[in-house]
Amino acid sequence: AQRVTQPEKLLSVFKGAPVELKCNYSYSGSPELFWYVQYSRQRLQLLLRHISRESIKGFTADLNKGETSFHLKKPFAQEEDSAMYYCALGGKGANNLFFGTGTRLTVIP
Amino acid sequence: EAEVAQSPRYKITEKSQAVAFWCDPISGHATLYWYRQILGQGPELLVQFQDESVVDDSQLPKDRFSAERLKGVDSTLKIQPAELGDSAMYLCASSDLGGAQVTQYFGPGTRLLVL
Repeated sequence: AQRVTQPEKLLSVFKGAPVELKCNYSYSGSPELFWYVQYSRQRLQLLLRHISRESIKGFTADLNKGETSFHLKKPFAQEEDSAMYYCALGGKGANNLFFGTGTRLTVIP
Repeated sequence: EAEVAQSPRYKITEKSQAVAFWCDPISGHATLYWYRQILGQGPELLVQFQDESVVDDSQLPKDRFSAERLKGVDSTLKIQPAELGDSAMYLCASSDLGGAQVTQYFGPGTRLLVL
């Protein structure tokens, strides 16, 4: 069965501090992992996907198949990073995405 | 920039009443998704369409929920009768391809409150 776990519902960091949002998954096939973000009063949108191996807004995420993790990281948090972040899991053979419960990140000025 | 449109944005209804939500995907997107997001949880897929055909409705409570996409463009999600537990955000998303590897574009959602 597919499952996504985001252990932290709330995470607060100071501006300029590093941030890491945790995501662990369970999937028997070859996983595809995504991070979606929802800023205040905006719609849910894709932040990044592991297959792209790119940095978006300073965020990176590495798929670790051994630890079944896809943690989202940024070395220096900015106030505009405050948002709700969802980890999502798909994969070959899957029709759709499974979302975690989300982590609300607050960056303190 | 093209966006997914949803209406209404908010809906308050009494239990046992019927409600309907509308979604207009990004033009040209063949795949359309309806999600339900209960407060404090992530979106959960209710139904997925590829053009006008249902690809996955395994999580749709079919005794009270129905969804259609008659011409393969816009879609309607209906609840009849509504129950207190249906209070949630209903999100529509679209993508130009099917499968879990593609980027999904989300609408603003319809927040439903059942009294």
